[in-house]
Amino acid sequence: SAVISQKPSRDICQRGTSLTIQCQVDSQVTMMFWYRQQPGQSLTLIATANQGSEATYESGFVIDKFPISRPNLTFSTLTVSNMSPEDSSIYLCSVDRGSSNYGYTFGSGTRLTVV
Amino acid sequence: AQSVTQLGSHVSVSEGALVLLRCNYSSSVPPYLFWYVQYPNQGLQLLLKYTTGATLVKGINGFEAEFKKSETSFHLTKPSAHMSDAAEYFCAVSASPPGAAGNKLTFGGGTRVLVKP
Repeated sequence: SAVISQKPSRDICQRGTSLTIQCQVDSQVTMMFWYRQQPGQSLTLIATANQGSEATYESGFVIDKFPISRPNLTFSTLTVSNMSPEDSSIYLCSVDRGSSNYGYTFGSGTRLTVV
Repeated sequence: AQSVTQLGSHVSVSEGALVLLRCNYSSSVPPYLFWYVQYPNQGLQLLLKYTTGATLVKGINGFEAEFKKSETSFHLTKPSAHMSDAAEYFCAVSASPPGAAGNKLTFGGGTRVLVKP
């Protein structure tokens, strides 16, 4: 399956600051996804990031709060801006490997705590 | 739009007993269904998936799931639980196959499995 490297694995941040999370894939993929997993909750899709176009955000998520970059087919970043304690979550990137046996693959996540 | 309901946020089983995790979905088109497992402090790992073909799907670690269209279900089972099965399990659905434009996963609420010795 695809190897996804996500950094940082965890961070503790002050409210009002921003954190950029990186997702590096070991092969080219068309679609990358960013999810949020709030404490004790399921995964919620934040946005879909395709190379060469603006990210598509799901209802309840906006670009000003979660800007995403997708400069090439193996890399993406998610920034959590102007953080508040409510942003404390696990953020995961995922890729769609297409019709291979692996389907969707997930990174190990970034555990963010905002204090 | 798709949705997924997992019955039971917590399931406790004895080691060696049957594991049964329930998943029902709602989809206006033929669904593509997935089960993922999340171990503590880790990302999600694909257990198995149903796209087309055989409705009984075998996955890793001895798990299997059966797609029942008439019941809109995709329940996950394992005949004999092992201590290492303690984790959180997520059922997910998409409206189109992996690789399709605009594809995305919708997750159920998750079921946390506790295995008792």
